[in-house]
Amino acid sequence: LAKTTQPISMDSYEGQEVNITCSHNNIATNDYITWYQQFPSQGPRFIIQGYKTKVTNEVASLFIPADRKSSTLSLPRVSLSDTAVYYCLVGDMGYNFNKFYFGSGTKLNVKP
Amino acid sequence: DVKVTQSSRYLVKRTGEKVFLECVQDMDHENMFWYRQDPGLGLRLIYFSYDVKMKEKGDIPEGYSVSREKKERFSLILESASTNQTSMYLCASRTGTNYGYTFGSGTRLTVV
Repeated sequence: LAKTTQPISMDSYEGQEVNITCSHNNIATNDYITWYQQFPSQGPRFIIQGYKTKVTNEVASLFIPADRKSSTLSLPRVSLSDTAVYYCLVGDMGYNFNKFYFGSGTKLNVKP
Repeated sequence: DVKVTQSSRYLVKRTGEKVFLECVQDMDHENMFWYRQDPGLGLRLIYFSYDVKMKEKGDIPEGYSVSREKKERFSLILESASTNQTSMYLCASRTGTNYGYTFGSGTRLTVV
């Protein structure tokens, strides 16, 4: 299973774009990259998922370079309510997906 | 809207007690999980189940057991609670055909 490395914490200000990068050097051919968001006292919730290039939804964008050894979650114009922990997960859709390693994530602190 | 419901939000138990944490999902998902979350350690997988009556150990199964008698219900059992099991416990489920975990709101267990 591919292990991931993310910054422990990041600070930003309201209205800024925030980019959180995740390293996954051992990513396998069948692995997808998935990002989750967790607010205090709640369980994580799915934000976005991708395999290569760029994926965008109403919440975020996910940029994946050609070698797929890293990925960047981009949050446009953050607000105070985006203060949360963000987790990067890498794995395939098969049985091993059940053993995802969430790690400690990146704690994003958005300031006014 | 899909839901994972954990029976208790907060729980206080005494050392040596047998503790049951219940989780119910209404999405007909095959896979269910129990995690614990501690500051600085992220989410760690305790056990998961990929079918009724099937279970597999995660990263930290010691001191825990699980039961899955019905597809919608996954119980975590602390056979003899200890203070080092004081933690936030999160239940999750997912179908076998996508990457999205759905988490419950968590149970904050304190063992005194």
